[in-house]
Amino acid sequence: AQRVTQPEKLLSVFKGAPVELKCNYSYSGSPELFWYVQYSRQRLQLLLRHISRESIKGFTADLNKGETSFHLKKPFAQEEDSAMYYCALSSTGTASKLTFGTGTRLQVTL
Amino acid sequence: EAQVTQNPRYLITVTGKKLTVTCSQNMNHEYMSWYRQDPGLGLRQIYYSMNVEVTDKGDVPEGYKVSRKEKRNFPLILESPSPNQTSLYFCASSSQGQGELFFGEGSRLTVL
Repeated sequence: AQRVTQPEKLLSVFKGAPVELKCNYSYSGSPELFWYVQYSRQRLQLLLRHISRESIKGFTADLNKGETSFHLKKPFAQEEDSAMYYCALSSTGTASKLTFGTGTRLQVTL
Repeated sequence: EAQVTQNPRYLITVTGKKLTVTCSQNMNHEYMSWYRQDPGLGLRQIYYSMNVEVTDKGDVPEGYKVSRKEKRNFPLILESPSPNQTSLYFCASSSQGQGELFFGEGSRLTVL
């Protein structure tokens, strides 16, 4: 069975500090990994996916198959980054078998 | 505007009183899904549908029913709600073969 673990419920950082939101997964095949974000009073939305290898809003995430991790990173946190972040895994590459982690709330303070 | 619309957004009901949460999308997506979000448990899939008349159980289907008679609609039915179904519910859709889910705004359900 596929599983996604986000060990931190809350991550609090100062503005301008680096951010790393941890995500580990368990799956025997080749998964596709995603990060979704939910800003206050907004819908849950896709932030980035590992297959596209792009940086969105300054965030990047690298799939490490050896460590089965997909940590989300940003070098300098901004106040507008405060949100709930969910890591998700798809075993099929499609939305039909998307498994979410429990989420990490990022709080960026001045 | 392309979006997923859920109704009602907020509902308080009593144990055993049947209710339906509607979900509609205007993006011609084949795939639709329902999730519930609970503190400490994240998002858990209830049911999903790959296309019209095709539905399947997710991880937590007990106590729920769905139907997919039309491509745009995917209602979630609670035949006899119980307090443990108090939760925040999200409907989502996606184009077939794609990994990006488009979410509704959520429906907060309280069962007394």
